[in-house]
Amino acid sequence: DQQVKQNSPSLSVQEGRISILNCDYTNSMFDYFLWYKKYPAEGPTFLISISSIKDKNEDGRFTVFLNKSAKHLSLHIVPSQPGDSAVYFCAASWGDTGTASKLTFGTGTRLQVTL
Amino acid sequence: KAGVTQTPRYLIKTRGQQVTLSCSPISGHRSVSWYQQTPGQGLQFLFEYFSETQRNKGNFPGRFSGRQFSNSRSEMNVSTLELGDSALYLCASKRTGDNYEQYFGPGTRLTVT
Repeated sequence: DQQVKQNSPSLSVQEGRISILNCDYTNSMFDYFLWYKKYPAEGPTFLISISSIKDKNEDGRFTVFLNKSAKHLSLHIVPSQPGDSAVYFCAASWGDTGTASKLTFGTGTRLQVTL
Repeated sequence: KAGVTQTPRYLIKTRGQQVTLSCSPISGHRSVSWYQQTPGQGLQFLFEYFSETQRNKGNFPGRFSGRQFSNSRSEMNVSTLELGDSALYLCASKRTGDNYEQYFGPGTRLTVT
């Protein structure tokens, strides 16, 4: 049962343009969402997160949008740079931050930023 | 501040053997979680430890076990290795009460032959 889904396995975007990565979830208990970036042979690197009480969170070139009614979130990268080429994972969690550390991950989207 | 460290980085074992992987969390982080990454199943949660106690466990067989020491360092053990256990094993640490952000180590690549 895939509770967090990333339906696009890959995405190619030109340098300077906007990259939009999408994520859907089915578990309505999720109340915190995170995006991670992963290069081959390295661990995932935390990018940005959003609580379910918000619908947008921005950090530099990265913005995450959350649509709770649609159970959908997206990561926007503007402008895209060649160094952004990596696999991006969406993750979700819920519960008391003091006790709940289990992250449920999507299957990832490979982003390639071309020159 | 040093990140999460994992040893060894690479490991080759034979079916039926057992293996122990080690993880040192970021200084001050008391929660340590383990994940398995495979091409077919993606990133899957194994278990989480806090204050030397397992607080959460994923859907893995009992051959997968772990522990945490008083200095928050953690080990995971896989007994009676199977070919399907070949994967990247990732450790992540988290500050208590600091939202849900977990910080990952580089992983241990385990190959079972």
